[in-house]
Amino acid sequence: QLQLQESGPGLVKPSETLSLTCTVSGGSINSSSYYWGWIRQPPGKGLEWIGSIYYSGSTYYKTSLKSRVTISVDTSKNQFSLKLSSVTAADTAVYYCARRGRVIRIFDYWGQGSLVTVSS
Amino acid sequence: DIQMTQSPSSLSASVGDRVTITCRASQSISSYLNWFQQKPGKAPKLLIYGSSSLQSGVPSRFSGSGSGTDFTLTISSLQPEDFATYCCQQSYISPWTFGQGTKVEIK
Repeated sequence: QLQLQESGPGLVKPSETLSLTCTVSGGSINSSSYYWGWIRQPPGKGLEWIGSIYYSGSTYYKTSLKSRVTISVDTSKNQFSLKLSSVTAADTAVYYCARRGRVIRIFDYWGQGSLVTVSS
Repeated sequence: DIQMTQSPSSLSASVGDRVTITCRASQSISSYLNWFQQKPGKAPKLLIYGSSSLQSGVPSRFSGSGSGTDFTLTISSLQPEDFATYCCQQSYISPWTFGQGTKVEIK
């Protein structure tokens, strides 16, 4: 059974960089069939796709976040990571990592989510 | 970006009721519409993909329909475990966008 698990600091100061890692178990991230993505949900609000990465390292970001987002992959560790720079309180959210099929474009497996609060 | 609008934003229903939730896309997305269920403190769970295909393991009381811009999620007979928030998501074109959610509460 595929499992995804987010990890990283739960508190980040304004203007600093948010860093999260998603560890994939029960399956290989090194697959041409899937993209690996980050999605966030501010408290009490809807879901927002941040960006995705392919095992080859190709990345796709939401345009409005592109200048601040970096997603990378480490196939040797079966992990992918998110960095979001210059954070503000508006970046406070639960951050989810998820798998998306390349052909059937569905987010079918999700991590449990990691709450990141931006506060001094 | 494609905007996804759900209605209603919340509803109250009783166990056994038939429940219908609507999702509208700001432009045609063919049948690239997915539905998720989310319970408090949990990750979204995929229910329906491709507008009407039931994800493996999802009870058959859930069904989806629609194409183009208008879509519907139906729960034929609401069960206690179905009280949750439901959201739609388009997978037609990046950036992938979600509806704001419909909270189904106990009447």
